[in-house]
Amino acid sequence: AQSVSQHNHHVILSEAASLELGCNYSYGGTVNLFWYVQYPGQHLQLLLKYFSGDPLVKGIKGFEAEFIKSKFSFNLRKPSVQWSDTAEYFCAVTMNRDDKIIFGKGTRLHILP
Amino acid sequence: EPEVTQTPSHQVTQMGQEVILRCVPISNHLYFYWYRQILGQKVEFLVSFYNNEISEKSEIFDDQFSVERPDGSNFTLKIRSTKLEDSAMYFCASSDYGTYNEQFFGPGTRLTVL
Repeated sequence: AQSVSQHNHHVILSEAASLELGCNYSYGGTVNLFWYVQYPGQHLQLLLKYFSGDPLVKGIKGFEAEFIKSKFSFNLRKPSVQWSDTAEYFCAVTMNRDDKIIFGKGTRLHILP
Repeated sequence: EPEVTQTPSHQVTQMGQEVILRCVPISNHLYFYWYRQILGQKVEFLVSFYNNEISEKSEIFDDQFSVERPDGSNFTLKIRSTKLEDSAMYFCASSDYGTYNEQFFGPGTRLTVL
């Protein structure tokens, strides 16, 4: 079955550290890729998305992600994190023209001030 | 900024009781979804709804579940006879163009079945 794996369940960093959260999916066909973020007490919101074109996509708040098709990966990066980035991050995919989102288990990111 | 709203934020019910979770999608959106997240597990797709009918449903969405758009603004998820394992956070989402557009999520309803 199609699935999304996030390698880190809980990450703790200091402010200004660089961030990379891993995400891999298992599906050989066309995918659309997403990173969602959920700040404490708030809605799930879209951080960035990849549908086609440049595999390096930039999102809100200085985040970016790179789609590497050969590795079935879509890792999330930020060069310098801030305390306000403390949140849970979800990698997600849709397959072919299907619109149901398949989520990873999430990574809880905690930034120390 | 328009947003998806959900009520109630927390529902506690006894096993075997019926519950209705309510969602108000963004007003010009045409595609509606329910997802759920059992504590400590992934967010899982339940059902998608377009043009007043279910477009797709997961294995989780059995005969105990139903969805409805009773008027032009609400989108509801009904669980006819709740089980302990239905305890989860239920998220509603909506989008305007289905596959290639962003789904906007509501804040969720936490359902606790005792």
